[in-house]
Amino acid sequence: EIVLTQSPDFQSVTPKEKVTITCRASQSIGSSLHWYQQKPDQSPKLLIKYASQSFSGVPSRFSGSGSGTDFTLTINSLEAEDAATYYCHQSSSLPYTFGQGTKLEIK
Amino acid sequence: EVQLVESGGGLVQPGGSLRLSCAASGFTVSSNYMSWVRQAPGKGLEWVSVIYSGGSTYYADSVKGRFTISRDNSKNTLYLQMNSLRAEDTAVYYCAREYRGYSYGYSHYYYYMDVWGKGTTVTVSS
Repeated sequence: EIVLTQSPDFQSVTPKEKVTITCRASQSIGSSLHWYQQKPDQSPKLLIKYASQSFSGVPSRFSGSGSGTDFTLTINSLEAEDAATYYCHQSSSLPYTFGQGTKLEIK
Repeated sequence: EVQLVESGGGLVQPGGSLRLSCAASGFTVSSNYMSWVRQAPGKGLEWVSVIYSGGSTYYADSVKGRFTISRDNSKNTLYLQMNSLRAEDTAVYYCAREYRGYSYGYSHYYYYMDVWGKGTTVTVSS
């Protein structure tokens, strides 16, 4: 099973700040890494697919990078509505796995 | 509009059974990979099961032998039959469509969960 480890687990940030969340895979997964945003009492929403491809309708301040074992989700100029928990997810091999999540709090 | 709507959750005693449904609209379930993902209270996301368009099925070790994923093409609906339920199965259960993309760089297909339902809550407790 491929383990995904996100960092940090929690971050308190101010609006307009730049945020970087990392996801490290326990073995190489190519670019089969995707990022989701989940707000309280909502289902997850896809932000970035295949490591760096923005999903339709996602604001341009969200971007992704990386390949192999190290991946990054970047949020430029954070907005209050970005308060959420962010998950990375690998679909390189079964069982699919998710990172433990990174909770963003807006100050 | 592409949409998934789960139903069938509820309170069940340990050892009991429940069948979850996921009704799809705007696309054909049988033409896509479909997954179930769950989230225990206050916890992260956990993949549960997938059914491929060809009918192959796979499960997380935590549910293997107890859960069965299936679909009814005539109803365009995905199911999750859950037997021998345990307290640790308590969670919100989401169904998700796995959309297929193609990487020309790696010359392979990849899948990502692009549409999710709102979830249905399963509580296993006496």
